[in-house]
Amino acid sequence: NAGVIQTPRHKVTGKGQEATLWCEPISGHSAVFWYRQTIVQGLEFLTYFRNQAPIDDSGMPKERFSAQMPNQSHSTLKIQSTQPQDSAVYLCASSGGQGNTEVFFGKGTRLTVV
Amino acid sequence: GDSVTQTEGPVTLSEGTSLTVNCSYETKQYPTLFWYVQYPGEGPQLLFKVPKANEKGSNRGFEATYNKEATSFHLQKASVQESDSAVYYCALGENNYAQGLTFGLGTRVSVFP
Repeated sequence: NAGVIQTPRHKVTGKGQEATLWCEPISGHSAVFWYRQTIVQGLEFLTYFRNQAPIDDSGMPKERFSAQMPNQSHSTLKIQSTQPQDSAVYLCASSGGQGNTEVFFGKGTRLTVV
Repeated sequence: GDSVTQTEGPVTLSEGTSLTVNCSYETKQYPTLFWYVQYPGEGPQLLFKVPKANEKGSNRGFEATYNKEATSFHLQKASVQESDSAVYYCALGENNYAQGLTFGLGTRVSVFP
């Protein structure tokens, strides 16, 4: 079990460019979460899928952020027209689904917008 | 909405001394409470969780009691080691995880020999 895999580990984009972050959840897990981590805001919930369906995106900035889960083995977080304030570590996590189950995090993608 | 407030770091300790990281929470639900630990270059990993009020969780010498009356979940360890240096996050979540987990801002703990 390789755990939750996130790629790339580091990404640098120019202001205004698009960034796509990838996540491979643990095989068999039905729930996938995206979080954003910064020193100022800590860990912020962005969005949540269950069985590939979007369940809650209440934490997503509406205009430039989007997330998809086209199949059970990967999810993507896309940020259009990146801004310096988007610089953060983006963490993907997965769990077995509903109920009292543990959430496992990936190592994160550090996005730097210059 | 839900919120979690914890000790503002950094906390610096010598090996062998005791650690307390305070955590208080606000919620209208009946959540499970968690402590996560994050080492450099890694994602947060579960230290332990407590689903029910008035119960205690523990792992690796760390422990915390789910105090519903005081809405607190303070992390304690009697004797820390250098390897305990990390960022500790208190979090709450509903059992169906419909809203994901709500985390505190984290407390950086540094233990020196």
